[in-house]
Amino acid sequence: EPEVTQTPSHQVTQMGQEVILRCVPISNHLYFYWYRQILGQKVEFLVSFYNNEISEKSEIFDDQFSVERPDGSNFTLKIRSTKLEDSAMYFCASRKEAGNQPQHFGDGTRLSIL
Amino acid sequence: DAKTTQPPSMDCAEGRAANLPCNHSTISGNEYVYWYRQIHSQGPQYIIHGLKNNETNEMASLIITEDRKSSTLILPHATLRDTAVYYCIVRAQHGSSNTGKLIFGQGTTLQVKP
Repeated sequence: EPEVTQTPSHQVTQMGQEVILRCVPISNHLYFYWYRQILGQKVEFLVSFYNNEISEKSEIFDDQFSVERPDGSNFTLKIRSTKLEDSAMYFCASRKEAGNQPQHFGDGTRLSIL
Repeated sequence: DAKTTQPPSMDCAEGRAANLPCNHSTISGNEYVYWYRQIHSQGPQYIIHGLKNNETNEMASLIITEDRKSSTLILPHATLRDTAVYYCIVRAQHGSSNTGKLIFGQGTTLQVKP
């Protein structure tokens, strides 16, 4: 069964450094999402992306964050200047089409900021 | 999207049916009920969704009351591997007025015991 894959599984970065988290959504999916989960807290929506543009973003998704679909298969989340509070699990999700179809999630990247 | 209420935790004996309740008394006519689960350190896993009819797939059954104000997820023969946090999420059909994002609550922690 096709699945969403995320790399790396664990990323350790110094505070202030840029980090790029990578996702390969399911191949025929058109809608893409990033979520994060701080340890012990709820899964939080960050951003949705469709047709090469952001369709919605949360308050968390400030100017330090950006997303890109550079080559038709990868979907990336970039954090320009990481902060300690960016430490979290980051989950990518994709969905085939609009309507009631469910999103499917990857297993996440654990981001640790030192 | 309507708010949901779930018990924070439940226990179930291995091999027995696990019945996980969810209240969504403010649900509106175009909102679907989705169930996901999150096994420790993994991404949310889609289980099942429905609008008003009961639904069944290879993982679970979803029973939605006639007034749609509550639902129950049924795992017919729980195993130790079903130990996870289960999320009930209500979301309108993805269309021009929304992007399909999911709003996660705290969910129900299901502990399956031998």
